[in-house]
Amino acid sequence: KQEVTQIPAALSVPEGENLVLNCSFTDSAIYNLQWFRQDPGKGLTSLLLIQSSQREQTSGRLNASLDKSSGRSTLYIAASQPGDSATYLCAAYTDKLIFGTGTRLQVFP
Amino acid sequence: IAGITQAPTSQILAAGRRMTLRCTQDMRHNAMYWYRQDLGLGLRLIHYSNTAGTTGKGEVPDGYSVSRANTDDFPLTLASAVPSQTSVYFCASSEGSPLRQFFGPGTRLTVL
Repeated sequence: KQEVTQIPAALSVPEGENLVLNCSFTDSAIYNLQWFRQDPGKGLTSLLLIQSSQREQTSGRLNASLDKSSGRSTLYIAASQPGDSATYLCAAYTDKLIFGTGTRLQVFP
Repeated sequence: IAGITQAPTSQILAAGRRMTLRCTQDMRHNAMYWYRQDLGLGLRLIHYSNTAGTTGKGEVPDGYSVSRANTDDFPLTLASAVPSQTSVYFCASSEGSPLRQFFGPGTRLTVL
């Protein structure tokens, strides 16, 4: 059974820092790995999707990497801003999308 | 604006009552999903539909039913609500599985 873990559960950083959010999964037979953002009281917004054959995807200041063999994905956020404050969720797709419990990020001015 | 709408936004419900959560998408996506989100447990799949006319069970289907009469609508019904069904419910859609999923704003349900 696929299990997805995100570390750390919470992170607080000053504005401008580069940061890395970690995601690990137990079953490497995935179709893709997806990263989402969730603002308090809101739904999820899709950020990046990495196919199993890809190593990374980039969108603006966000870069997500995937290492299937080690069961890991990272989300790199460059030059963090207060507007990046949210919960970030990763999800691994095997026969369905399995979510981690998220990393709650706070970026303070 | 294209997307997914959910209704109601929130609801307080007495245990034993029947409740239908509504979900409509205008992106003509084939696949639709219902998740519940609980503190410490993350999002868990309740039911899904890969295309109109078909449905399937997810990770936590007990106590819930769905139907998919057309492409746009995917209602979730609680036949007899129980307090453990207190949660935030999210509907999502994708062009197909396993493609990128798009989420609605959620319904906050409290069962007393």
